[in-house]
Amino acid sequence: QKEVEQDPGPLSVPEGAIVSLNCTYSNSAFQYFMWYRQYSRKGPELLMYTYSSGNKEDGRFTAQVDKSSKYISLFIRDSQPSDSATYLCASRSGEKLTFGTGTRLTIIP
Amino acid sequence: DTGVSQDPRHKITKRGQNVTFRCDPISEHNRLYWYRQTLGQGPEFLTYFQNEAQLEKSRLLSDRFSAERPKGSFSTLEIQRTEQGDSAMYLCAIQSLAGELFFGEGSRLTVL
Repeated sequence: QKEVEQDPGPLSVPEGAIVSLNCTYSNSAFQYFMWYRQYSRKGPELLMYTYSSGNKEDGRFTAQVDKSSKYISLFIRDSQPSDSATYLCASRSGEKLTFGTGTRLTIIP
Repeated sequence: DTGVSQDPRHKITKRGQNVTFRCDPISEHNRLYWYRQTLGQGPEFLTYFQNEAQLEKSRLLSDRFSAERPKGSFSTLEIQRTEQGDSAMYLCAIQSLAGELFFGEGSRLTVL
């Protein structure tokens, strides 16, 4: 079992819809949680960085962490075609980030 | 601009050749990381530096791989006697004071 599990998709939604992306993790030592966006043949771009359970909002993006169930989510409101990318969740213990496999998202105009 | 410059962006080489990738943080950062990403997977940790000291290495970093950060600024990752399984994106990242990791655009390696 991987330490961070993420549905690879692909996921297609119409423009303007709310997108929900999810990951589960198994390592209780994970303290920090991140979401990255990655366009094709580019490096991962940090979207959200959270520590505690609860919600963190930044513009159209909301990250949610539930440490009791080891579940992390990213919500994208008013999705745009430019949001089409692969979204990677990551969890951190010590110096190492452990990533999920990424979910490929397509926003259909 | 992620604050991390990587070179070359793409390298095509034949099996058995040596390749070297370079990572240049734009400003001073104590901690610098190398990750590897294969197609359809998330990045995997390879190694990290605190200034010029290499403090942790993954089991993925076989003895054909060597990383250096001689002056605590730029870093190099060398792969000797490349194999087809080395084909991947090699990503460099720096850590902010808040603990966030910012990645460069990566160096893509294709081994024929």
